[in-house]
Amino acid sequence: DVKVTQSSRYLVKRTGEKVFLECVQDMDHENMFWYRQDPGLGLRLIYFSYDVKMKEKGDIPEGYSVSREKKERFSLILESASTNQTSMYLCASSLPLDRPTYEQYFGPGTRLTVT
Amino acid sequence: QQPVQSPQAVILREGEDAVINCSSSKALYSVHWYRQKHGEAPVFLMILLKGGEQKGHEKISASFNEKKQQSSLYLTASQLSYSGTYFCGTIIIQGAQKLVFGQGTRLTINP
Repeated sequence: DVKVTQSSRYLVKRTGEKVFLECVQDMDHENMFWYRQDPGLGLRLIYFSYDVKMKEKGDIPEGYSVSREKKERFSLILESASTNQTSMYLCASSLPLDRPTYEQYFGPGTRLTVT
Repeated sequence: QQPVQSPQAVILREGEDAVINCSSSKALYSVHWYRQKHGEAPVFLMILLKGGEQKGHEKISASFNEKKQQSSLYLTASQLSYSGTYFCGTIIIQGAQKLVFGQGTRLTINP
């Protein structure tokens, strides 16, 4: 059974704190993604990685950074959390995009509140 | 760059049909559909590749018209379990390839 796990379901942090969101997948997938989900805005891509130590900016990378030191783990970092980063964060993994049966597997999400 | 979905929300009675549309301003190579139930992670439904093919998943089917740069998801004789938010996704090639999702369509099925 394929699995993507995220370190926390709920997280409360103060403005200015450094925040780490961890994601682990057990499917040996090359691609990993971080999305942010807000009402009415859908799933917006923050960063993605197609290989270890490789990263690409998504549509809303400002205020975020990522780290992928091992194939199974992809971390999202908020260097200095702000209230406008309060959101649901979803991690996903997949095989390369050019597969005809391409599918992304999502983790359960982390609801981050910045006060 | 996000594909545009319509309608934003639909409320149906059990047994009724629904259509969710997804359109893009850019050329589409494929369209991906996901469903997210309340409080859960999005789950893959189906992928449609170039060629105008139609696919099905239970009583949920979809079409893809690459000339019109749009896809439609058809839910027939809807069941309570179909409630959730539906997302379409399209591949954007900008350096590396990435999957970009629409804003979602919230579907509510009432008994």
